[in-house]
Amino acid sequence: DTEVTQTPKHLVMGMTNKKSLKCEQHMGHRAMYWYKQKAKKPPELMFVYSYEKLSINESVPSRFSPECPNSSLLNLHLHALQPEDSALYLCASSQPRTGVTGGYTFGSGTRLTVV
Amino acid sequence: AQSVTQLDSQVPVFEEAPVELRCNYSSSVSVYLFWYVQYPNQGLQLLLKYLSGSTLVKGINGFEAEFNKSQTSFHLRKPSVHISDTAEYFCAVGSIQGAQKLVFGQGTRLTINP
Repeated sequence: DTEVTQTPKHLVMGMTNKKSLKCEQHMGHRAMYWYKQKAKKPPELMFVYSYEKLSINESVPSRFSPECPNSSLLNLHLHALQPEDSALYLCASSQPRTGVTGGYTFGSGTRLTVV
Repeated sequence: AQSVTQLDSQVPVFEEAPVELRCNYSSSVSVYLFWYVQYPNQGLQLLLKYLSGSTLVKGINGFEAEFNKSQTSFHLRKPSVHISDTAEYFCAVGSIQGAQKLVFGQGTRLTINP
């Protein structure tokens, strides 16, 4: 299995809702990432987990809460989002020490719309 | 800190013509360089990477790139493009030091016309 699977593919939520994005990989990778991509823009790093521990938080607002319950799963919990948070949320995985050299494996993303 | 500049936001070419997508980087330390492709409504797929050694790197789908340290460039080329190459292309840089993160350029939209 050489894929990163993200669910759901599309999500529409209100500003008072609580929702979660899910990411799963079975490649034995021990580093997982959340990226946010606005339309016609490059991906921007949000969080990095290495060996199930949060290693990088790029000053992301607290309405985004990541969770890594085990080495195969990565969640992003969403609460009280704003319309400007609408974007494509991409998950990626890699080996921690070789992530930058090996390149990441990206999922297809969750298209989030906040109304 | 590293940064990446993709010099063209859009590149239109005719099918079977050659194409070059330009990328320049800035870094105070040695870096690794990547090209990713993103098809509509998809994630990113690694095309090729430069880590060390030969400056000419071959990737998937007939693409290649050349690392030029003196010009701090990593341009992507393909001798003959196909309609299926229509996509967004991102150049990215990673550092051999510090955090395990990639910094992406702004992207180049490659449009292939029949």
